[in-house]
Amino acid sequence: NAGVTQTPKFQVLKTGQSMTLQCAQDMNHEYMSWYRQDPGMGLRLIHYSVGAGITDQGEVPNGYNVSRSTTEDFPLRLLSAAPSQTSVYFCASSTLAGSSYEQYFGPGTRLTVT
Amino acid sequence: AQSVTQPDIHITVSEGASLELRCNYSYGATPYLFWYVQSPGQGLQLLLKYFSGDTLVQGIKGFEAEFKRSQSSFNLRKPSVHWSDAAEYFCAVGAKGNNDMRFGAGTRLTVKP
Repeated sequence: NAGVTQTPKFQVLKTGQSMTLQCAQDMNHEYMSWYRQDPGMGLRLIHYSVGAGITDQGEVPNGYNVSRSTTEDFPLRLLSAAPSQTSVYFCASSTLAGSSYEQYFGPGTRLTVT
Repeated sequence: AQSVTQPDIHITVSEGASLELRCNYSYGATPYLFWYVQSPGQGLQLLLKYFSGDTLVQGIKGFEAEFKRSQSSFNLRKPSVHWSDAAEYFCAVGAKGNNDMRFGAGTRLTVKP
């Protein structure tokens, strides 16, 4: 049981480039989310999904797209990278069954946009 | 919308001393409250959570937290800090029926030998 995995661990992009951050979980969790972590600001929710085919925006969705074609995968796409998107990105998942609400986090992707 | 404030950006304590990290939240209904710990270069690990019931909750690694509704607080405590506790600590608030969470800005803990 690998939990939540993210690739790549590190990435450097030039302004205007696009890329996809990958996230996968093997716990059959319905809920998946993407956060960005910036110094002094904690984690901020970008997008989330409550199941395959269903996504919604969080606090800071601009410049990012997501899709959820399977329960396991929840990729985050940067359409045209900007220096303001330099951050550490975390994917998380949780079950919607019961009342646990505990989110399991991946190890993160450190993105630098130059 | 829910929000979380962690008033202390950085705290330094001596090994063996007690620790209290502060967390204040803003939410209209009964909040679901969490403390996470992040070691350098790592993801977040859940320390403990509060949904209802006993307002003093026990977590992993010897941590506990107390929910005080009248003060809108959920402070994290540990009676005796170990050098391995040096990390960043995040308080988060969620809502029933909604898995979205709002995080505080974090408190960085340094442990002096």
